[in-house]
Amino acid sequence: DQQVKQNSPSLSVQEGRISILNCDYTNSMFDYFLWYKKYPAEGPTFLISISSIKDKNEDGRFTVFLNKSAKHLSLHIVPSQPGDSAVYFCAASGMTTVSWGKLQFGAGTQVVVTP
Amino acid sequence: EPEVTQTPSHQVTQMGQEVILRCVPISNHLYFYWYRQILGQKVEFLVSFYNNEISEKSEIFDDQFSVERPDGSNFTLKIRSTKLEDSAMYFCASSGSLSGQPQHFGDGTRLSIL
Repeated sequence: DQQVKQNSPSLSVQEGRISILNCDYTNSMFDYFLWYKKYPAEGPTFLISISSIKDKNEDGRFTVFLNKSAKHLSLHIVPSQPGDSAVYFCAASGMTTVSWGKLQFGAGTQVVVTP
Repeated sequence: EPEVTQTPSHQVTQMGQEVILRCVPISNHLYFYWYRQILGQKVEFLVSFYNNEISEKSEIFDDQFSVERPDGSNFTLKIRSTKLEDSAMYFCASSGSLSGQPQHFGDGTRLSIL
């Protein structure tokens, strides 16, 4: 099941610079998208979400951009901090279908923020 | 901040035995979920639960699996006769409403089947 894809398994970024994480999806019925952060031995922690009626949502250092025509979303973290080093998951669901609660996850991107 | 709690953090069980994984969702949430992550693979949806019944389940969630909300606070996942391939991290999640609300996850139970 490859409905949500994160093609970059890892990303290294310097502290203070911008981290850009990418996610692609194939199911046009998806209309709610989320980003989660995960540390080892912990569960996914919700970061930010966006519904398909928007193309941008911002919360502090985190901004998510949605390009519906390209079926692509991205997460920008600026400035990156050492505590941002974690695995980041993109997830999607369809609010207007039966599968409203069924999150489909990408494989994750390991972010390492270096001093 | 309210959180989802899961117990135990690690469960080791012999193949063929029954196991119950426990979760306490966030107190005012109404929608509950189980996911699992096999080592090296994606997080996979298992089941969603609302109003004391299953809303949706995946192909993984066969007759060996069941969920229950035995009281006002707990949400459990039972695997009746465990198989080696059930070894995974199991995550419980809850959300406050149907639309536009994120799911919040617990820290998971690592299930090891011997």
